[in-house]
Amino acid sequence: GAVVSQHPSWVICKSGTSVKIECRSLDFQATTMFWYRQFPKQSLMLMATSNEGSKATYEQGVEKDKFLINHASLTLSTLTVTSAHPEDSSFYICSARDRGAGELFFGEGSRLTVL
Amino acid sequence: AQSVAQPEDQVNVAEGNPLTVKCTYSVSGNPYLFWYVQYPNRGLQFLLKYITGDNLVKGSYGFEAEFNKSQTSFHLKKPSALVSDSALYFCAVRDASTTDSWGKLQFGAGTQVVVTP
Repeated sequence: GAVVSQHPSWVICKSGTSVKIECRSLDFQATTMFWYRQFPKQSLMLMATSNEGSKATYEQGVEKDKFLINHASLTLSTLTVTSAHPEDSSFYICSARDRGAGELFFGEGSRLTVL
Repeated sequence: AQSVAQPEDQVNVAEGNPLTVKCTYSVSGNPYLFWYVQYPNRGLQFLLKYITGDNLVKGSYGFEAEFNKSQTSFHLKKPSALVSDSALYFCAVRDASTTDSWGKLQFGAGTQVVVTP
């Protein structure tokens, strides 16, 4: 199946700093990517939909100024957690839609720990 | 509105025994149904999907699932479980009648499968 790469896999940062997570579709073009947040032993919570060349669509309750999403190309979307705080510590997962396959492919996830 | 229920938080099974993970769903139109597996600190891996056609769908790693429209269920099964099947399993559904609704793929709460030697 198609491959979606997420980087970094693990990141530890100090409170107040910003962290950028990249999501790349390696062997297909993804006009739409999705960002999720997952708490321990819980399901995925959709944060936002990232559309290439346009503004992201955020789900209710997700602060768009805190979680900046950029989808600059058909193979790359980035999530920037700005002024991170300990409560932002979580597992963040991206997915990309392959139009040809008609399904979603998921990245390996990024574990963010804010000290 | 669409929803997915995975009634069991955890399923315990001995290696070699059959494994079943339950999933029921609710959508307004016809469903597209999916099963994913997640290992610790990893993303989701696609197992199988039902779009249309045969109700019995075969997927990766020997897993299969049966779509039952009357019972609105899509239970995941494996005839003989392996210790390596121990992981978190997610059922997901989206409404086929809604255009471009991939962002509204609804995930169940997940079922932890523990396979003991």
